[in-house]
Amino acid sequence: DSGVTQTPKHLITATGQRVTLRCSPRSGDLSVYWYQQSLDQGLQFLIQYYNGEERAKGNILERFSAQQFPDLHSELNLSSLELGDSALYFCASSVSPRAELFFGEGSRLTVL
Amino acid sequence: GENVEQHPSTLSVQEGDSAVIKCTYSDSASNYFPWYKQELGKRPQLIIDIRSNVGEKKDQRIAVTLNKTAKHFSLHITETQPEDSAVYFCAAYGNQFYFGTGTSLTVIP
Repeated sequence: DSGVTQTPKHLITATGQRVTLRCSPRSGDLSVYWYQQSLDQGLQFLIQYYNGEERAKGNILERFSAQQFPDLHSELNLSSLELGDSALYFCASSVSPRAELFFGEGSRLTVL
Repeated sequence: GENVEQHPSTLSVQEGDSAVIKCTYSDSASNYFPWYKQELGKRPQLIIDIRSNVGEKKDQRIAVTLNKTAKHFSLHITETQPEDSAVYFCAAYGNQFYFGTGTSLTVIP
């Protein structure tokens, strides 16, 4: 158990819908990262937060947004979903930006 | 931004043989290089890491080497076992983590 909690573990929805993925980082970790992993693909960096503020942005679509709340949990919002958004979405946390990443179990999104 | 290339994409070895996975990076400011192992359907987990002030680090059957001048680093697994079968990702940290595309390692019993 990495200490990073992601919910839901599985989510099936239809095209055009909106979903929210939630991440609770390890206790004491201030950095939260979101990654997308499609089938047989690598880890695509989406966005990073540090202590409530956006620190870095990767290849995140405009239909996607995220935030980190004062209690340090983070949410990734995916809207106007397309079939190609089906993927495993990982959240990871670290105590500081250059420290070891601890990954959650992931949220598997299936868009039908 | 940083660009991390990883080779090979797939690797099959006989049990007991060694496996080597290589990565190159582009940003000379990158100074932290972790390796993650991802078993099928599971989360990536750190197996070893190296910082730019050292050239080599070992942990039992796993070792990582770093050549800052050439901007490449490698993962070495000796005496491979079937449970080493997984996807391995390298990463480089400059201002964020950039991951390689992964190497699917299969250890044949």
